[in-house]
Amino acid sequence: DAKTTQPPSMDCAEGRAANLPCNHSTISGNEYVYWYRQIHSQGPQYIIHGLKNNETNEMASLIITEDRKSSTLILPHATLRDTAVYYCIVIRGSQGNLIFGKGTKLSVKP
Amino acid sequence: DGGITQSPKYLFRKEGQNVTLSCEQNLNHDAMYWYRQDPGQGLRLIYYSQIVNDFQKGDIAEGYSVSREKKESFPLTVTSAQKNPTAFYLCASSIGGRGNEQFFGPGTRLTVL
Repeated sequence: DAKTTQPPSMDCAEGRAANLPCNHSTISGNEYVYWYRQIHSQGPQYIIHGLKNNETNEMASLIITEDRKSSTLILPHATLRDTAVYYCIVIRGSQGNLIFGKGTKLSVKP
Repeated sequence: DGGITQSPKYLFRKEGQNVTLSCEQNLNHDAMYWYRQDPGQGLRLIYYSQIVNDFQKGDIAEGYSVSREKKESFPLTVTSAQKNPTAFYLCASSIGGRGNEQFFGPGTRLTVL
């Protein structure tokens, strides 16, 4: 499974969009990009995933570049409850293991 | 409500004792997983099970054992052979394979004194 690179931390003002980047330059054609988040001392929570096309659900949007070497998770209107560690994971369909790196610690400030 | 539960939330044990962590799910998921998380680190896979009566080692299985006698249950035993067992343990489940969306329990924080 391809390796991912994320900034260790980011700040965002409450009510503004939070844009979390992820680099995955070695991604293969059959590997998906998954995003999870973990609020302090809780289990991780699935957010969204995609292969090639941009995806949107009730929680977030996922923008994947055309060459698929990077992606951005967008929380359109961040709230204080969105403060968490966000993990970007690349995985080969249903056969790979989820490998959680250190992620990006997002702090949403009032 | 469907979900995945872990008990207890906090667990203390003396060094040299085996301890079993509980994980139960009522989501009718086939696959279940155990992860370990150390402070400031990501999650590392200990064991996973795709179906009942079958399980596979993950990246850090040494010093741990599991069983999968029922679809709903996937207990993890931390044995005395685990050199540094103090950690946050997370259980998860998914409908299908490992890459599918995983649902996590609230975790058990184990402290070995």
